Amino acid sequence: AQSVAQPEDQVNVAEGNPLTVKCTYSVSGNPYLFWYVQYPNRGLQFLLKYITGDNLVKGSYGFEAEFNKSQTSFHLKKPSALVSDSALYFCAVRAFYGNNRLAFGKGNQVVVIP
Amino acid sequence: DTAVSQTPKYLVTQMGNDKSIKCEQNLGHDTMYWYKQDSKKFLKIMFSYNNKELIINETVPNRFSPKSPDKAHLNLHINSLELGDSAVYFCASSETQTGLGNTIYFGEGSWLTVV
Repeated sequence: AQSVAQPEDQVNVAEGNPLTVKCTYSVSGNPYLFWYVQYPNRGLQFLLKYITGDNLVKGSYGFEAEFNKSQTSFHLKKPSALVSDSALYFCAVRAFYGNNRLAFGKGNQVVVIP
Repeated sequence: DTAVSQTPKYLVTQMGNDKSIKCEQNLGHDTMYWYKQDSKKFLKIMFSYNNKELIINETVPNRFSPKSPDKAHLNLHINSLELGDSAVYFCASSETQTGLGNTIYFGEGSWLTVV
């Protein structure tokens, strides 16, 4: 079955610095990769996804992610973090041989320090 | 306009009670879902309906019964609530269930606390 790993529990970054949230995946076949963000007491908001094509995907709020097939990674990045980016970030994957279910990682808490 | 809306947002109830959470989507999607987020923030799918037909039924106690009166609505009824049912329940929808690249859109969540 498909799965994702988000190795860090919390990512601390100073405001204005680059932000990276790591994600690696495991699937049989081609992966369909997603990033979501959850603000406190809110639902999950879709940020971006990779289906096919250009490995660099741009999404909402200035976020982007790079698909790396050889490293089975899909890290989320933002060039300059804002305090308002402090939230819980989820990576998720779907695959044809994974019964179509969207499998989520455990989430990464991002704390942007003013 | 709220794409996926669910009510109530907060629910505090006693053990043994029966409660329902309602969900509606105005995106015209065929597929709707219920996800559960536990206290450690893990997200797990519970059910999925495609055009009112149940297609995913994870290992969930029989006390949980989804109902889809039409493809825009998916309600979750929980009988005989237990302390362990305390969690956040998210409704979601996507265009189709088989489109692997389809984005799943989530509601704001229903925070259930069983006391």
